[in-house]
Amino acid sequence: DTAVSQTPKYLVTQMGNDKSIKCEQNLGHDTMYWYKQDSKKFLKIMFSYNNKELIINETVPNRFSPKSPDKAHLNLHINSLELGDSAVYFCASSQALNQPQHFGDGTRLSIL
Amino acid sequence: GENVEQHPSTLSVQEGDSAVIKCTYSDSASNYFPWYKQELGKRPQLIIDIRSNVGEKKDQRIAVTLNKTAKHFSLHITETQPEDSAVYFCAAPRGGGNKLTFGTGTQLKVEL
Repeated sequence: DTAVSQTPKYLVTQMGNDKSIKCEQNLGHDTMYWYKQDSKKFLKIMFSYNNKELIINETVPNRFSPKSPDKAHLNLHINSLELGDSAVYFCASSQALNQPQHFGDGTRLSIL
Repeated sequence: GENVEQHPSTLSVQEGDSAVIKCTYSDSASNYFPWYKQELGKRPQLIIDIRSNVGEKKDQRIAVTLNKTAKHFSLHITETQPEDSAVYFCAAPRGGGNKLTFGTGTQLKVEL
């Protein structure tokens, strides 16, 4: 059983399109995250939710909108995709803040 | 600033040698320091973590040391093996403990 699963694994789309990435965790964790890893491998936090409530919102363009329908799911919707959005997006979860985080396998987003 | 600096960015060692990666953080309120290993094309995985109430923690060939006064923490890998080759990230919370900030990563290569 995959603990943190995200779909799709690969996403290739054109500039200007809108796309969503889904994430689900079956660990019973209260906190979920979205990270962006660029081509230089820098891992940067974008958002964090605790029990469906937004607790961290880094300086991210408002084209990015997270949604947490329940504490096991955290989806990421991106509007008007730009070339600079090309990256690997990782979902992660933890029991609480400052606890070990479990990462999904990542979604590789490529903008043409 | 509220950064985590990580050195070196690349590290090449011979099999059987030791490897040391160092990180420096700036938020004096930080109290949780994890290390993640990311193999090529894979997700980051927690390998060891330490909390601020201890100075050292060891798990087989891996150890982490923490100097709160100097705001340094280090990852030590002994008897390195080819499968240790990966990118290693340190992390520390900032902003009152809510935001886990990752270091810039160290590409470790263990040569035969």
